[in-house]
Amino acid sequence: EAGVTQFPSHSVIEKGQTVTLRCDPISGHDNLYWYRRVMGKEIKFLLHFVKESKQDESGMPNNRFLAERTGGTYSTLKVQPAELEDSGVYFCASSRRVAGNNEQFFGPGTRLTVL
Amino acid sequence: AQKITQTQPGMFVQEKEAVTLDCTYDTSDQSYGLFWYKQPSSGEMIFLIYQGSYDEQNATEGRYSLNFQKARKSANLVISASQLGDSAMYFCAMRDVYNQGGKLIFGQGTELSVKP
Repeated sequence: EAGVTQFPSHSVIEKGQTVTLRCDPISGHDNLYWYRRVMGKEIKFLLHFVKESKQDESGMPNNRFLAERTGGTYSTLKVQPAELEDSGVYFCASSRRVAGNNEQFFGPGTRLTVL
Repeated sequence: AQKITQTQPGMFVQEKEAVTLDCTYDTSDQSYGLFWYKQPSSGEMIFLIYQGSYDEQNATEGRYSLNFQKARKSANLVISASQLGDSAMYFCAMRDVYNQGGKLIFGQGTELSVKP
């Protein structure tokens, strides 16, 4: 089966611009997560979807970040307007369930650079 | 609050030797799960091994084993017979079993370099 895919792989934008990241989870995985790694720091949770609903968005840094999951399939993460501190690698992960050894399958990430 | 600490920013190991990557965690929960992920230079995150807090035996997956010491709150990853392809970033993570969402909390990672 196809893995988690993310688009684009890299994005370079200027401060104040808008960027939209896309994640396609593994088919059949109801749970979709967004994480972010700022350079040199740990990977931090942003939010979690169960199907199309936001289960937990406690990690979203501020209201410049908007995540959606249309029809419970792919998800987008929009940053508007982007700031310098938003630079980092944005990972998407999906899992079939949340209990037990719910391995989260990660995508390759989107490297965002805000200039 | 839950926290994962990886105190080794970088590690070197000779090919074919074993290496231990340290991970300590902090949680007040009785039930939790611990994970290790590998991130090679290509960027993808690869799941390696899982240990549940109630598992009595240390988890093993091929050349990977998890040295789980619950009283010390440590979950070190042991890689036996290192290979050049093991060079990568390694992340320890924790999941709160009772958290409805199952989000992962990560450490800062350890960069492992395997020397030929």
